[in-house]
Amino acid sequence: AIRMTQSPSSFSASTGDRVTITCRASQGISSYLAWYQQKPGKAPKLLIYAASTLQSGVPSRFSGSGSGTDFTLTISCLQSEDFATYYCQQYYSYPPLTFGGGTKVEIK
Amino acid sequence: EVQLVESGGGLVQPGGSLRLSCAASGFTFSSYSMNWVRQAPGKGLEWVSYISSSSSTIYYADSVKGRFTISRDNAKNSLYLQMNSLRAEDTAVYYCARPAVADDYFDYWGQGTLVTVSS
Repeated sequence: AIRMTQSPSSFSASTGDRVTITCRASQGISSYLAWYQQKPGKAPKLLIYAASTLQSGVPSRFSGSGSGTDFTLTISCLQSEDFATYYCQQYYSYPPLTFGGGTKVEIK
Repeated sequence: EVQLVESGGGLVQPGGSLRLSCAASGFTFSSYSMNWVRQAPGKGLEWVSYISSSSSTIYYADSVKGRFTISRDNAKNSLYLQMNSLRAEDTAVYYCARPAVADDYFDYWGQGTLVTVSS
């Protein structure tokens, strides 16, 4: 199984900050990577697929980059509604589909 | 509008069984593969099972293989997960999730149903 490792697991930031979350795959997955946002008590929401393609309706302050084993999710100007937990997911090879452990973005 | 609505969760004793359902609407259900993904309290996301559009291909996570059975009824636009021999570690919110047309990331999720395995 491909292991997905996210870093950091949590951090604090302020509104307006530029934040970057990293996801590393245990083997190359080309660009078969998605990012999700999850708020407490809610289902995950797709933000980005194919490593860098923004899902329809997602604000342009979200961006993704990377290929192979190293990926990043960047929020260019953090808004209050962006405080949430973010997950990466590889869909290059399965079973099993695998998710990263999550990164919780908290208010400083 | 695409909607996925799970039901069937609840409290069950260890060793017991439960059947989850996911009612789909707003899209041509029979054209899509479907998945179950779960999330233990305070934990991350874990993929559980996959079924192709025609039910010809089925996959399971190792953690549930031999205990859970995924199925679907395209005539009823419904997805199911039969869970047997339940363990405490199966306690989680269970989501049904629809993948995108040509790839296996999930563009639609249900609201989830909570399964609690406890005596």
